[in-house]
Amino acid sequence: NAGVTQTPKFRVLKTGQSMTLLCAQDMNHEYMYWYRQDPGMGLRLIHYSVGEGTTAKGEVPDGYNVSRLKKQNFLLGLESAAPSQTSVYFCASSYSTVHPNIQYFGAGTRLSVL
Amino acid sequence: DQQVKQNSPSLSVQEGRISILNCDYTNSMFDYFLWYKKYPAEGPTFLISISSIKDKNEDGRFTVFLNKSAKHLSLHIVPSQPGDSAVYFCAASWAGTASKLTFGTGTRLQVTL
Repeated sequence: NAGVTQTPKFRVLKTGQSMTLLCAQDMNHEYMYWYRQDPGMGLRLIHYSVGEGTTAKGEVPDGYNVSRLKKQNFLLGLESAAPSQTSVYFCASSYSTVHPNIQYFGAGTRLSVL
Repeated sequence: DQQVKQNSPSLSVQEGRISILNCDYTNSMFDYFLWYKKYPAEGPTFLISISSIKDKNEDGRFTVFLNKSAKHLSLHIVPSQPGDSAVYFCAASWAGTASKLTFGTGTRLQVTL
């Protein structure tokens, strides 16, 4: 019973490098979300998706791109990493398309940009 | 603009006593509130929620109270146990927003022996 799986768990990048974070869920959830957590800031929404092939911007989308080609996967890309993107990234998913619903989170990806 | 606020960064409570974690919000459109618990190196896990049509929801040792007029909610844990030591996040959402959650900054609870 995997739930929401994020890969990788840790990554160190140099400024300007690119990378993709993968989120996979096996619960047949419609909605998926990417958050970042920074000290003293709580979790902030980067991008989200309400279904396969759809994406939308959240609160802090700049510097990130996303894709949802398959229902179970939600990818977060950094095209040119910056030190300000050093953070812990969490993916979440939720089942219901009817409000309200509960989001289920992965274990996170800790990213350092040097 | 912090729409969901948790003004206490940390709280220390003795085992067996009551823990009370507080959360305030400013957006009157919020109609659903959730508490998540987070251990180090893990993702947040859902704990308990409440709809704005209720003022109390209870689940075992956990109770959430909602005061809409004051835009305030609280999480009570009775009795507190050492395993409750974690960071607790308050979150809010409202219909028409793809159930996006707005999180508070979290309160670190430490339950001491």
